Amino acid sequence: GQSLEQPSEVTAVEGAIVQINCTYQTSGFYGLSWYQQHDGGAPTFLSYNALDGLEETGRFSSFLSRSDSYGYLLLQELQMKDSASYFCAVATGGGNKLTFGTGTQLKVEL
Amino acid sequence: GAVVSQHPSWVICKSGTSVKIECRSLDFQATTMFWYRQFPKQSLMLMATSNEGSKATYEQGVEKDKFLINHASLTLSTLTVTSAHPEDSSFYICSARSVRGQDTEAFFGQGTRLTVV
Repeated sequence: GQSLEQPSEVTAVEGAIVQINCTYQTSGFYGLSWYQQHDGGAPTFLSYNALDGLEETGRFSSFLSRSDSYGYLLLQELQMKDSASYFCAVATGGGNKLTFGTGTQLKVEL
Repeated sequence: GAVVSQHPSWVICKSGTSVKIECRSLDFQATTMFWYRQFPKQSLMLMATSNEGSKATYEQGVEKDKFLINHASLTLSTLTVTSAHPEDSSFYICSARSVRGQDTEAFFGQGTRLTVV
């Protein structure tokens, strides 16, 4: 089976940089995705890494090390609206199936 | 990006009744759709993989006779919660992948909040 570990909660101030780590154990690894979910809403896609390295999309960047079974999401210039839950998810089955991590509740404070 | 529409967004039903949730891909065809369940403050748990024209593949521990999935077309999958009980109250979310190539993004519906009373 698959297992993914994330910190349960992270708190940071507006304008700061925060990193959310994700370690995973899985077979048939295809890639690592990151999703944001606000309370009561559906997950929205943030980024995807299939290869080692850093992917940058605006204020968000995501990193993957396949050899270490580890990845992280980096959020820069934090804004209050970034307060949400963030999930890493491993893609397996040829990228067809997503298994989600435990989720990290990010609280951005003034 | 692609749009996945889920209906209803919330439903309250009596214990023992059945509830049907629809998931539609509005601007693309989806050979595969996924159904997730999420309890408050918890992660999304994959319930089943729905394949167009064939039987769904259920995850371990998910009762296929209780959670009926039908994927009759490339744009529609339905999840029916049969004989619902209060413990089935949860947030149910579908997602879909496009048939075109190796897309890396799953498109999610807006979710259905089911409350069984």
